Amino acid sequence: QKEVEQNSGPLSVPEGAIASLNCTYSDRGSQSFFWYRQYSGKSPELIMFIYSNGDKEDGRFTAQLNKASQYVSLLIRDSQPSDSATYLCAVMAGGTSYGKLTFGQGTILTVHP
Amino acid sequence: DTGVSQDPRHKITKRGQNVTFRCDPISEHNRLYWYRQTLGQGPEFLTYFQNEAQLEKSRLLSDRFSAERPKGSFSTLEIQRTEQGDSAMYLCASSFWGLAGVGIQYFGAGTRLSVL
Repeated sequence: QKEVEQNSGPLSVPEGAIASLNCTYSDRGSQSFFWYRQYSGKSPELIMFIYSNGDKEDGRFTAQLNKASQYVSLLIRDSQPSDSATYLCAVMAGGTSYGKLTFGQGTILTVHP
Repeated sequence: DTGVSQDPRHKITKRGQNVTFRCDPISEHNRLYWYRQTLGQGPEFLTYFQNEAQLEKSRLLSDRFSAERPKGSFSTLEIQRTEQGDSAMYLCASSFWGLAGVGIQYFGAGTRLSVL
């Protein structure tokens, strides 16, 4: 089992729809959870982070965390073509490896007009 | 520019040659991370520093790889005797680690290595 797994893509949604991206992780000691966006040929760019159970909203983005189920999700409302990118879920380890990020393989999102 | 800076942006080398990459973190950040990313995969952790101390190195990292952060500022990543399997994007990230906060990592633009 991979340490961080994301829903297989690619994911294609029409402009204006809600895009739902999912991520599960195996290390129960994980402390913090991040969503990065990566455009083709570019470096990852932070969208949101979350460390408490529940929802966290920032503009069109909502991150959801359920530590009991070891599940993190990202919802993108009113999707725009400019949201088309690879979305990376990253989990920060706890304990002696605190700070190290483990990434999922990424989900490619395409928003079509 | 106050972001993470990496140099060079692209490097083409022949198999068996040594290469060195440089990373300049955000100035107030005390932690510096190296990751490697291949096509279609997420970044994979290589190593990280807090100030000048190297705190962890991936078990997957061959002895051909070495990293330094001599004065707790910039860092170098050297790959000796490069192999074609080393071809990847090498990403550097930095963060501030303290008693509070989650230590958000900010990434540089990366160095793309091609080994022929």
